[in-house]
Amino acid sequence: DQQVKQNSPSLSVQEGRISILNCDYTNSMFDYFLWYKKYPAEGPTFLISISSIKDKNEDGRFTVFLNKSAKHLSLHIVPSQPGDSAVYFCAARGSGGYQKVTFGTGTKLQVIP
Amino acid sequence: DTAVSQTPKYLVTQMGNDKSIKCEQNLGHDTMYWYKQDSKKFLKIMFSYNNKELIINETVPNRFSPKSPDKAHLNLHINSLELGDSAVYFCASSRWGGSEAFFGQGTRLTVV
Repeated sequence: DQQVKQNSPSLSVQEGRISILNCDYTNSMFDYFLWYKKYPAEGPTFLISISSIKDKNEDGRFTVFLNKSAKHLSLHIVPSQPGDSAVYFCAARGSGGYQKVTFGTGTKLQVIP
Repeated sequence: DTAVSQTPKYLVTQMGNDKSIKCEQNLGHDTMYWYKQDSKKFLKIMFSYNNKELIINETVPNRFSPKSPDKAHLNLHINSLELGDSAVYFCASSRWGGSEAFFGQGTRLTVV
């Protein structure tokens, strides 16, 4: 049962444009969400996170939006750069004590120069 | 200076063998993890240790045994390797359970 879903396995965007990566989750107990970026032959790198008490978190070119009622979050990258080409993983964690992090299946972003 | 380092990067071995993957972090984190990324690219947690204590043990065969000699190290030993164990294994650490994790570069295990 995949509790965190990234339904788009790949996405191509022109350099300078906005990249929007989507993520849906099914577990209403999730209260903390993270995005990771992964280059080939490297481990995932933490990008940005958001708590369920917020609906938006911004860090430079990266903004994460959370819609709790829809159980949906999205990562916006503006403007997109060729170096952003990577696989992006959405992840979620439950509330209370120690909770494991559940990862989505990833979306491969290609930014075309 | 590498934050989370795991060795080896590549491991090719025959079925039935026993192998170990080592992991070390120099970030002073309390929590360490092992993740498995299979051929379908699912990234799933296998184990988590907090201050050398096992916190999470997902449904993983008993052939997999993690060992944490100290807070900075979490090794993974695999007995009687099977073809289905072929995957990329990632070690990671974080300040506390469920927070932003730092990942190692991964170990690509191929069982032939």
